[in-house]
Amino acid sequence: EDQVTQSPEALRLQEGESSSLNCSYTVSGLRGLFWYRQDPGKGPEFLFTLYSAGEEKEKERLKATLTKKESFLHITAPKPEDSATYLCAGISSGSARQLTFGSGTQLTVLP
Amino acid sequence: ETGVTQTPRHLVMGMTNKKSLKCEQHLGHNAMYWYKQSAKKPLELMFVYNFKEQTENNSVPSRFSPECPNSSHLFLHLHTLQPEDSALYLCASSQGSGIDYEQYFGPGTRLTVT
Repeated sequence: EDQVTQSPEALRLQEGESSSLNCSYTVSGLRGLFWYRQDPGKGPEFLFTLYSAGEEKEKERLKATLTKKESFLHITAPKPEDSATYLCAGISSGSARQLTFGSGTQLTVLP
Repeated sequence: ETGVTQTPRHLVMGMTNKKSLKCEQHLGHNAMYWYKQSAKKPLELMFVYNFKEQTENNSVPSRFSPECPNSSHLFLHLHTLQPEDSALYLCASSQGSGIDYEQYFGPGTRLTVT
């Protein structure tokens, strides 16, 4: 059974304090890995898709990386507006593709 | 309206009621999805529609009945729900036909079953 595990469950940072969120996966023949951001009272917002180990993508203060077992979302010099829950999801390959989400990391950036 | 809209935003219903959730996407996408989001649990994909045809039903109880009359509209009909069905129900759409593509989510309907 495909599994996606995110850690930590919650993270509090001071503004400007860089850190990383982890997404480890056991997904059959990973076809792609998504990162989403979800603000309270809203639906998830797409951030990145990663397809192969070694791939990196950046957007403003965020950089997502992928290895064969996990993905990291690096947040450089975060600001309070980066506070949100960050979700990752993996897609398995094969005829019966499955999309499996992790439970998310709730990030709070304090001013 | 832009993006993906959902109505109502909040719904309280008894276990014997029948209600429907509505989703509309204004993005010209071909695929639409229903998800369930419960507190402290991962998003659960319920149904997938590509070009109005249902392509996935992830073992969802029959008390949830989806309907997709066209590629812009998606409904979730609810009847004889259980308290454990209380959750945030999210609709999403994507350009491509299938779960491989980035999805655009609506704000969700917060459902409470009493």
